[in-house]
Amino acid sequence: KAGVTQTPRYLIKTRGQQVTLSCSPISGHRSVSWYQQTPGQGLQFLFEYFSETQRNKGNFPGRFSGRQFSNSRSEMNVSTLELGDSALYLCASSSAGSLYNEQFFGPGTRLTVL
Amino acid sequence: QQQVKQSPQSLIVQKGGISIINCAYENTAFDYFPWYQQFPGKGPALLIAIRPDVSEKKEGRFTISFNKSAKQFSLHIMDSQPGDSATYFCAAALVGGADGLTFGKGTHLIIQP
Repeated sequence: KAGVTQTPRYLIKTRGQQVTLSCSPISGHRSVSWYQQTPGQGLQFLFEYFSETQRNKGNFPGRFSGRQFSNSRSEMNVSTLELGDSALYLCASSSAGSLYNEQFFGPGTRLTVL
Repeated sequence: QQQVKQSPQSLIVQKGGISIINCAYENTAFDYFPWYQQFPGKGPALLIAIRPDVSEKKEGRFTISFNKSAKQFSLHIMDSQPGDSATYFCAAALVGGADGLTFGKGTHLIIQP
């Protein structure tokens, strides 16, 4: 089975721009979660989608948004980029949407905001 | 967001030794405690997980010890090998809650040959 894939792997943007990141979960997985990883704050939960519905959302501003498509693929969007948004953005998928189910992480998208 | 405090930040252990990483949590409602291993350029991968109804879980060389009253849990890596060199994250979650996994800040483990 192919793992979680994220595209692009690297991205450079300037302040004020917006960006869209994509995540393809493991085949058959219906839950997709997004996390932001930075050296200072570590891994922080952004949001979780299950069957095209956002079920949970972390403590991030409204500039961070996402969606999930009928094939379970997910995108996250960050508008009006700030320097502090530079981070590794990780996507994780799981089969049934319960945190008891193993979360499989992708390799991440490294976003640099200049 | 509820915190999970992880220590040490970095750890150097000789090959064959025992690596010990500790975590403490605040929210007594947490009911799931996984450990993740992350290699450079890769996403975290689940190593082992425990629920609060047991005090210890062992999988191969990896053991989680859980102390509910102290709100602490730890990862022990027995017979540590150079291939275990990675960053380790503890996490906690309230499975029915809305905050996803709450992660510790990570421990950079180096196993010296």
